[in-house]
Amino acid sequence: EPEVTQTPSHQVTQMGQEVILRCVPISNHLYFYWYRQILGQKVEFLVSFYNNEISEKSEIFDDQFSVERPDGSNFTLKIRSTKLEDSAMYFCASRGSGTYNEQFFGPGTRLTVL
Amino acid sequence: AQSVAQPEDQVNVAEGNPLTVKCTYSVSGNPYLFWYVQYPNRGLQFLLKYITGDNLVKGSYGFEAEFNKSQTSFHLKKPSALVSDSALYFCAVRAREGTDKLIFGTGTRLQVFP
Repeated sequence: EPEVTQTPSHQVTQMGQEVILRCVPISNHLYFYWYRQILGQKVEFLVSFYNNEISEKSEIFDDQFSVERPDGSNFTLKIRSTKLEDSAMYFCASRGSGTYNEQFFGPGTRLTVL
Repeated sequence: AQSVAQPEDQVNVAEGNPLTVKCTYSVSGNPYLFWYVQYPNRGLQFLLKYITGDNLVKGSYGFEAEFNKSQTSFHLKKPSALVSDSALYFCAVRAREGTDKLIFGTGTRLQVFP
């Protein structure tokens, strides 16, 4: 069964450093998402991406964040200058083209900012 | 504003007994409703969804959920719990119009005892 994959599974970085989280969505999906889950809190929407542009973004997704689909398979989330409060589990998700289709989530990348 | 409430942090049930995990929602218009399950160190796995039609929807692993429009609820149920059902369960809502981001509840930990 096709699945969303994410690398790395765990990233440790120093405050102020740039990180890139990588995702490979399901191959025939067209809609891509990033969510995050701070430890002990709910899963929060960050951004959605379709047709090579951002469809929607949350208040969390400020200028420090960016997304890119650099080729036909990868979807990345970049945090330019990490803060302590960026420490969280980051989930990538993808969805097929049907309006009613569910989002499929990857296993997540745990980001720890020291 | 869209929101999802899962009033129980944890639900305990004996193996073989029926289980219910509660979810209520608030959204403008008619909702799309989803249940996801998260096992330790894993991503969110899709269980089932309500889009339209029958109020009782069936999903993976013997789970089902009942949509109740008047009570704005979408409770997850299973007639006979298994120890392997022990996990974190998330209810999510997507507004029908204008957005496809998911709004998640805080999650309910289901513990099934042998």
